[in-house]
Amino acid sequence: GAVVSQHPSRVICKSGTSVKIECRSLDFQATTMFWYRQFPKQSLMLMATSNEGSKATYEQGVEKDKFLINHASLTLSTLTVTSAHPEDSSFYICSASRQDRRRDTQYFGPGTRLTVL
Amino acid sequence: DAKTTQPPSMDCAEGRAANLPCNHSTISGNEYVYWYRQIHSQGPQYIIHGLKNNETNEMASLIITEDRKSSTLILPHATLRDTAVYYCIVRSRGGATNKLIFGTGTLLAVQP
Repeated sequence: GAVVSQHPSRVICKSGTSVKIECRSLDFQATTMFWYRQFPKQSLMLMATSNEGSKATYEQGVEKDKFLINHASLTLSTLTVTSAHPEDSSFYICSASRQDRRRDTQYFGPGTRLTVL
Repeated sequence: DAKTTQPPSMDCAEGRAANLPCNHSTISGNEYVYWYRQIHSQGPQYIIHGLKNNETNEMASLIITEDRKSSTLILPHATLRDTAVYYCIVRSRGGATNKLIFGTGTLLAVQP
């Protein structure tokens, strides 16, 4: 299977600071990556679609100026939570799309637990 | 993408087969059925996907009804490590984006 990593796995920050989360596809190139958020006891919510070399596409209700996404290479996408507040505390998960002749499948990272104090 | 309906929870005895149902009555002809699972506090894990034929891999089997309005994921010999939330998702392939929209899934509890 394909491997996707995230860094850091856990971060605690003060209110008002910015936090950057990295998502890497380790053994394949991904032109498209996705960012999800998951609150306790809830399902994953898609936040945005990240395309290499172009602007991200945000889902309705997600503030693009608060959640900055950069997809600078075929193996790296970053999510920056700007001016974080306690309500931004959540589990952030990325996925990378692997496409070949037989498959068109998303592989997920292990997630990043963000706690904003 | 079509919506899916899954039971909120199921129990299964260790070593027995776990059969997880999914209804997707509004699925369209170009939409695939994907199954993922999420073990607590981890990212989702891809299990299997199919269009209309039954599929099998090292993790599970996927049975899709002839009318494609429902499917069943089968874990042939469930272990305690299979305890997770299982998500059934239908989506088309090859579009401009291939985003997955997660529903609430089925919490499978494998009992010793």
